[in-house]
Amino acid sequence: DAEITQSPRHKITETGRQVTLACHQTWNHNNMFWYRQDLGHGLRLIHYSYGVQDTNKGEVSDGYSVSRSNTEDLPLTLESAASSQTSVYFCASSPTLQSTDTQYFGPGTRLTVL
Amino acid sequence: GDSVTQMEGPVTLSEEAFLTINCTYTATGYPSLFWYVQYPGEGLQLLLKATKADDKGSNKGFEATYRKETTSFHLEKGSVQVSDSAVYFCALSPSQGGNQFYFGTGTSLTVIP
Repeated sequence: DAEITQSPRHKITETGRQVTLACHQTWNHNNMFWYRQDLGHGLRLIHYSYGVQDTNKGEVSDGYSVSRSNTEDLPLTLESAASSQTSVYFCASSPTLQSTDTQYFGPGTRLTVL
Repeated sequence: GDSVTQMEGPVTLSEEAFLTINCTYTATGYPSLFWYVQYPGEGLQLLLKATKADDKGSNKGFEATYRKETTSFHLEKGSVQVSDSAVYFCALSPSQGGNQFYFGTGTSLTVIP
């Protein structure tokens, strides 16, 4: 079955370190999204991509970057981790640009920055 | 801009009680509306959706009707079960938004036997 996976599921790191969270989908979806989930804020969009070599900033993109070299993967990099980036991170994908399309979510990565 | 306002939680209900979680939205045009459910330790799963005014989405006994006149998409279930305990998110995708989603803050539901 097609799916979307994230790794690692849990990560503890130190302030100032670079961290990369992986997201891999086997649906062959064009669109991929990264969100962070924080209490009281719901899910907020960090970055998104509509296809290979395409990346766009979301609502809370400062301190994060992404690159899209193939259809299946959209890794999220924290250039220099900060305590404010402690959160649960979700990756999602969808097939087209239509507003009616469902986004499919991965299981999440819990990141703690000490 | 586009946004979703969702009923604050947490909500605690007894088994077989009636559930309503309110959701209202702000958007131009005709967005698509979604309810997602998140069980403990898991990612979000689509519960139901509606893509045009007066549409009713339904799944697993849950229902929500897209009301353009009141800009609402309230989630209802007639008789909740312990297994419905989860966090519920309302979301919208603007009609010209490239499938970007705007989420509400989530409502935590606990159902007690």
